[in-house]
Amino acid sequence: EAEVAQSPRYKITEKSQAVAFWCDPISGHATLYWYRQILGQGPELLVQFQDESVVDDSQLPKDRFSAERLKGVDSTLKIQPAELGDSAMYLCASSLDRGQYFGPGTRLLVL
Amino acid sequence: DQQVKQNSPSLSVQEGRISILNCDYTNSMFDYFLWYKKYPAEGPTFLISISSIKDKNEDGRFTVFLNKSAKHLSLHIVPSQPGDSAVYFCAVNAGGTSYGKLTFGQGTILTVHP
Repeated sequence: EAEVAQSPRYKITEKSQAVAFWCDPISGHATLYWYRQILGQGPELLVQFQDESVVDDSQLPKDRFSAERLKGVDSTLKIQPAELGDSAMYLCASSLDRGQYFGPGTRLLVL
Repeated sequence: DQQVKQNSPSLSVQEGRISILNCDYTNSMFDYFLWYKKYPAEGPTFLISISSIKDKNEDGRFTVFLNKSAKHLSLHIVPSQPGDSAVYFCAVNAGGTSYGKLTFGQGTILTVHP
């Protein structure tokens, strides 16, 4: 069964450092999403791509976060500089229609 | 403003009994509704969905009910099994220019006791 791949699964970094997360969606899925999930809350959308174009990045803190999907396939989410409050699970999802399929996530801890 | 609310942070059920998880939403423009299950340290797994043109959708042990007038949906799991113990999230989508964009509730922790 096709799955969304994410790496790394876990990342520990110090504040003010740069971190990057990678996502490879299910083959053929044109739409890709990055979410952030804080413990005890539901996932919150950070950015949505349709192919290589950003559709919605209204909730992305653009002063420190950036996302790209250059060839419309895999995607990278970057945080620079990381802050303590960025500690969370970062989830990637992809879809063909209205149902989204999630990867295993990257657990980020900022010290 | 929370557009999607799961008012029960946790639910405890005996194995074999019914589990009922609830979700309320505020925006009548939402027209597609989904339930996800999440185990610790894993991503959410899609369970079941329903379109606003229906009021019930069934898939094996899982049934989702939608009450549009009350802006309420629920997930029934019958019979509940210990492996169902997880966090359950409801999610909603408005379609149109928001096609594909999901808004999630806070989640309900389900514990099924043997």
